Amino acid sequence: KNQVEQSPQSLIILEGKNCTLQCNYTVSPFSNLRWYKQDTGRGPVSLTIMTFSENTKSNGRYTATLDADTKQSSLHITASQLSDSASYICVVSGIPQGGSEKLVFGKGTKLTVNP
Amino acid sequence: DGGITQSPKYLFRKEGQNVTLSCEQNLNHDAMYWYRQDPGQGLRLIYYSQIVNDFQKGDIAEGYSVSREKKESFPLTVTSAQKNPTAFYLCASSIGPPLSTYEQYFGPGTRLTVT
Repeated sequence: KNQVEQSPQSLIILEGKNCTLQCNYTVSPFSNLRWYKQDTGRGPVSLTIMTFSENTKSNGRYTATLDADTKQSSLHITASQLSDSASYICVVSGIPQGGSEKLVFGKGTKLTVNP
Repeated sequence: DGGITQSPKYLFRKEGQNVTLSCEQNLNHDAMYWYRQDPGQGLRLIYYSQIVNDFQKGDIAEGYSVSREKKESFPLTVTSAQKNPTAFYLCASSIGPPLSTYEQYFGPGTRLTVT
């Protein structure tokens, strides 16, 4: 069972609109949470890394929030552009199910921005 | 121009043949990683290396082998023992120890197709 769940699975919006992607995780204990952007056929690129003590972090038009109590994170994209079309991957670093520390990757949300 | 390079971008092999995927980085990073990405799945860790001549198995190491003879290079061999080798393979590196808050930088990936 994947311990990082992302929603929605896919999303289509119009250029200029805002959107919010969700990430729920059960990995515990938790070390940090990352958001990556992956263009089709390319490697992921880091957007933000947040530790449990941080509840918001911005990178340009991207703002990530984290609620470590409810184990939820969101990625808000403001004034979307065509170049925002990509998959957005939530990654949690922690110790799932009593094992060793590891990165657990979500399956991603595929965002399409249409003109 | 610093970064991670993977070659080739596309690779085709016949079933039963071993194949080696190249990964080179000039970021002077100590840690390097190999991931596998399948459609609709999160990235899964195959192997990682903290320093030269040292590497550890990830979650899905069976059917794969690696070497780390130089800091800059971390080649992955997909052997004939790997049951489902067709996938998108991603190499990454980080300046610090694996599985920490250090950012991981990904290469462009190699798409391997085995028929």
